[in-house]
Amino acid sequence: GENVEQHPSTLSVQEGDSAVIKCTYSDSASNYFPWYKQELGKRPQLIIDIRSNVGEKKDQRIAVTLNKTAKHFSLHITETQPEDSAVYFCAASLTGTASKLTFGTGTRLQVTL
Amino acid sequence: EAGVAQSPRYKIIEKRQSVAFWCNPISGHATLYWYQQILGQGPKLLIQFQNNGVVDDSQLPKDRFSAERLKGVDSTLKIQPAKLEDSAVYLCASSPAYADTQYFGPGTRLTVL
Repeated sequence: GENVEQHPSTLSVQEGDSAVIKCTYSDSASNYFPWYKQELGKRPQLIIDIRSNVGEKKDQRIAVTLNKTAKHFSLHITETQPEDSAVYFCAASLTGTASKLTFGTGTRLQVTL
Repeated sequence: EAGVAQSPRYKIIEKRQSVAFWCNPISGHATLYWYQQILGQGPKLLIQFQNNGVVDDSQLPKDRFSAERLKGVDSTLKIQPAKLEDSAVYLCASSPAYADTQYFGPGTRLTVL
């Protein structure tokens, strides 16, 4: 089955700096890669996703890049703000009738003033 | 649009007791997922339903866990008997049929003493 590794496990940045979180996946057939943000005690919320036919996707301060050959994808957050502090999870799946997400272990991002 | 609803939000039980969780997905969403999220880890899929049929239950500990979605809408997840290692947040998610994006509920935090 699919295995997703995520690094780093914790990340501390100063407000205004950029943050990068990296994930690798094992199943070359995976073609859908979402990123979820989970604030303490709250539900995971989708912040951005990318499919294997695209190399990069941006949404305001958030961007995701995908390298299919190396089987890794990354989340980039620019101009970080205190409200970006949360745990971020990457995931991978093969889309279709039994789309099954395999999550990484999470990155705790702390944005300090 | 109402989100995924779950109840109870918190549950504390003694080991060997039984417990049940309830999930009401977003209206019209055919696919329903139950995840287990142990503290400090990413969500792990327990079972996936497409309407009222099971698509994937390969990671469900069937000796103690059971789940049903009788009318293709609400779902219940049961643990009987509970073990200490079942302490976790149980997340329910839903998605439209054959869609990739999953929407999560607030979860039920289970503590087994």
